[in-house]
Amino acid sequence: EAGVAQSPRYKIIEKRQSVAFWCNPISGHATLYWYQQILGQGPKLLIQFQNNGVVDDSQLPKDRFSAERLKGVDSTLKIQPAKLEDSAVYLCASSRDRVGEKLFFGSGTQLSVL
Amino acid sequence: AQSVAQPEDQVNVAEGNPLTVKCTYSVSGNPYLFWYVQYPNRGLQFLLKYITGDNLVKGSYGFEAEFNKSQTSFHLKKPSALVSDSALYFCAATLNTGFQKLVFGTGTRLLVSP
Repeated sequence: EAGVAQSPRYKIIEKRQSVAFWCNPISGHATLYWYQQILGQGPKLLIQFQNNGVVDDSQLPKDRFSAERLKGVDSTLKIQPAKLEDSAVYLCASSRDRVGEKLFFGSGTQLSVL
Repeated sequence: AQSVAQPEDQVNVAEGNPLTVKCTYSVSGNPYLFWYVQYPNRGLQFLLKYITGDNLVKGSYGFEAEFNKSQTSFHLKKPSALVSDSALYFCAATLNTGFQKLVFGTGTRLLVSP
């Protein structure tokens, strides 16, 4: 099966600029996750969708981060305005809609905020 | 709140020797436990999971993990390490009820020397 697709692969922006990341999950996967992975740390869940509804966004900095999943398929994560501390790898993952299902991860988008 | 701890930032082992990467968890109730591996510039890949049943779980690439409920541990093991096993390993946990909320540890870098 085709994997989780993410773009862009790399992005360099200046602080206070905006940026958007795109994710296309594996076909048929109802659950989509966005994780933030800062260098030297484990992935931290930002937001989790089940179909096109949000089930958990408790760690999403809502004053600057937003995400949507149109029609329960593709998803976009946006940062506006970016801060230096947003420099990280943003990972998208998808899974079937059941507890205990493994996650399939994309290759991630490496964001550098200067 | 649930949490996962990986007490070792790095584990060094010689090729051919057995390896152990440690993980402890703090999850109320009965958890589902996972190991993922991350190679350079790649997304995370699923290795194995514990749901229920036999405490010794076998996974990809010859890895296995032992679930110990009394010690709240889920250590990753392999009888004979390969240089190609060198990577970043993440332990993760989720509650087995409701929707899946996967919490990751901080990761352990495994370095296998020839």
